[in-house]
Order: sequence, then C-alpha cells, then structure tokens
Amino acid sequence: DAGVIQSPRHEVTEMGQEVTLRCKPISGHDYLFWYRQTMMRGLELLIYFNNNVPIDDSGMPEDRFSAKMPNASFSTLKIQPSEPRDSAVYFCASSPRTGIGNNEQFFGPGTRLTVL
Amino acid sequence: AQSVAQPEDQVNVAEGNPLTVKCTYSVSGNPYLFWYVQYPNRGLQFLLKYITGDNLVKGSYGFEAEFNKSQTSFHLKKPSALVSDSALYFCAVRDRTGGGNKLTFGTGTQLKVEL
Repeated sequence: DAGVIQSPRHEVTEMGQEVTLRCKPISGHDYLFWYRQTMMRGLELLIYFNNNVPIDDSGMPEDRFSAKMPNASFSTLKIQPSEPRDSAVYFCASSPRTGIGNNEQFFGPGTRLTVL
Repeated sequence: AQSVAQPEDQVNVAEGNPLTVKCTYSVSGNPYLFWYVQYPNRGLQFLLKYITGDNLVKGSYGFEAEFNKSQTSFHLKKPSALVSDSALYFCAVRDRTGGGNKLTFGTGTQLKVEL
C-alpha cells in the first residue's frame, strides 16, 4: 500500500498566482481530509469529504480556497489568488468508512507551500 | 464542541528515563482519543487510540496512554525513552455524539530525548 500520496511536495509561487495541491487517498477509504499546519495556528482542518461529497468546509479560510473530489481516488485543494499568508504545510489524510467514527486517519507527507 | 489542550510546548527527558506527554480534552459526550507523532518533514503517524474498555491503551513503539474520565485526561507515556522518540506529538479527540468525523488536534508537544 503506497499510503496517501500528495503532490507536489514543495511549491514556491508568487503572490496572486493560482496554486493547486493534489491528493490520492488510500484505496478503499471513504473519508478524505485537508489540513493546514503553521507555526502560529498549529494543525487546522480545512474541509473533509465522505464518499466524494464535502461534509464540512467550515475551516476553509475564505473564498480564495476551494476543494474538489471528482472521484474516490483524487482530490484537489486550490488557492486563487494566493497570498503570502497562505504559506504553510498542507496535509491530506484519509480514513476508512466506519459506523462508529473511531478509525484513525492516515496522513500524506504534505505539501510545503511558499507564497512570495 | 470538542477541544484538546496540551499544556507543555516542550518536554525534555534523558534517554532511559520514563516520559509523559500530557493531554486533557473537552467533549459534550464521550470521547474517542488519539495520539499521533510527527517527525521532521513528515506527515502525522498514528500511535494509539482509546475507544472503549480498558483505560490503559498500548500502541506502537512501546508507547501507552491512560484514559482518565474523571480528570478528562489522556496522557501519553513510555517507560524508557529513546533518542529516536524525539518528535512532535499531537493529541486528538472526537466526540462520539455529534462530532461528525472531525478530529480536533491539540497544539502539539515537542519531545526531546537527550543522551
């Protein structure tokens, strides 16, 4: 099992540019999560999906952020336009379906985003 | 609402000594509790979880944690620390009722194990 795959691993862009982060969850997992990690704010949940449907996007900071999951094996997080304060490590995680909500999440290696 | 507090930003311990990383939680109902570890430039890795039953939970790499309902705590412990245990540790909670499938993470505790 390859685990959760994220690309790119590093992204450097200029303010105002569009950024797209990609995630491939573990096969068979029904839940997918996007997190952001910064020194100031720690680990924040941005959005999560169940069976490709967004369930809770209350953590998405503003309209510049959007996430999609067109199928069970692929998700994107897009920032348009990007700003320097978006610089962070973005993690994708997945977990299997559970009836009682106790399964752990499996994290990808993260994408380190730097917006100049 | 669910929340987690990790009161220590950093814990220092000598190799071979026991270690404890503290975590307290707040939920409306009963909790599911988790510990994760993060090594530099890596994603979080699952260590252990409390679901129900025995209050003492054993996990990976010799770690264990004790669920204490009266103190709303879930401290991570290891009898004998290794230098390779040095990493960032996160406690997380999910409310069994009404929490959806969201984990709320603490701010993390940096563990440093020295020779």
